[in-house]
Amino acid sequence: NAGVTQTPKFQVLKTGQSMTLQCAQDMNHNSMYWYRQDPGMGLRLIYYSASEGTTDKGEVPNGYNVSRLNKREFSLRLESAAPSQTSVYFCASSEMLWSGSYNSPLHFGNGTRLTVT
Amino acid sequence: DAKTTQPPSMDCAEGRAANLPCNHSTISGNEYVYWYRQIHSQGPQYIIHGLKNNETNEMASLIITEDRKSSTLILPHATLRDTAVYYCIVRLNSGGSNYKLTFGKGTLLTVNP
Repeated sequence: NAGVTQTPKFQVLKTGQSMTLQCAQDMNHNSMYWYRQDPGMGLRLIYYSASEGTTDKGEVPNGYNVSRLNKREFSLRLESAAPSQTSVYFCASSEMLWSGSYNSPLHFGNGTRLTVT
Repeated sequence: DAKTTQPPSMDCAEGRAANLPCNHSTISGNEYVYWYRQIHSQGPQYIIHGLKNNETNEMASLIITEDRKSSTLILPHATLRDTAVYYCIVRLNSGGSNYKLTFGKGTLLTVNP
C-alpha cells in the first residue's frame, strides 16, 4: 500500500497563477484533510472532508478551494496564488473524522513544497 | 483544552532505548494520547496512541500513567533513522473543532552513532 500520495512534490508559481495539488489515499479512509505547515506555526488545517461528497472549511481556508473527487481523492486548488501561500502542504486521511476522543489516527502524505514569487 | 509539554530536545545512543516524556495534565477522560513523528522533509508519521492502558506496536511502546497526566513513548532500540521531531498530541480544541490537530513544537530526538 502506498498510503497517502501527493503530487507534485515541488512547485514554483508566480503571483496570480493557479494550480491544483492532488492527493490520493488507498486505505479506504472516509475522511481527508489538507494542512499547511509554516515555520513556527505548526500544522494548520485548510479544509477537510468528513466523507465522500462533503467538504468543510478549516482554520485557514481563504484563498483555497477543494474537491472531494471520490473516496480516494481530495484536491486543493489555489485560484490566484499569493506569496503568503508559500508553504509546505500536507494531505492526510483517517478512517473517520478525527477527534481526540476517537480511535482514528491521521495518516499523512510527504507534502508539496510550494513557492510563490 | 488539553495542552502538552515536551522537552525541546533529547539525545540517545544508537541501539539504546529512547524514552520521550510528555505531560498532559489537563487531559479529559475520553481523550486519547497520540504520538507522531516528523523526519526532516517528510510528512508527519503516526506512531501509536492510547487511552488508559499501555500500548505496544511494531514501532514503539506507550506508557500512560495511572492518573493519565503524563505519558512516555519508548523506542526500544533506537536507530539513526529514528532521528526526528516527536509530537505528543491530545485534543487541543473543542466547540466544533474536533478536526484540529495541533502539533506544537515537539521533541527533537537525535540518535547518535
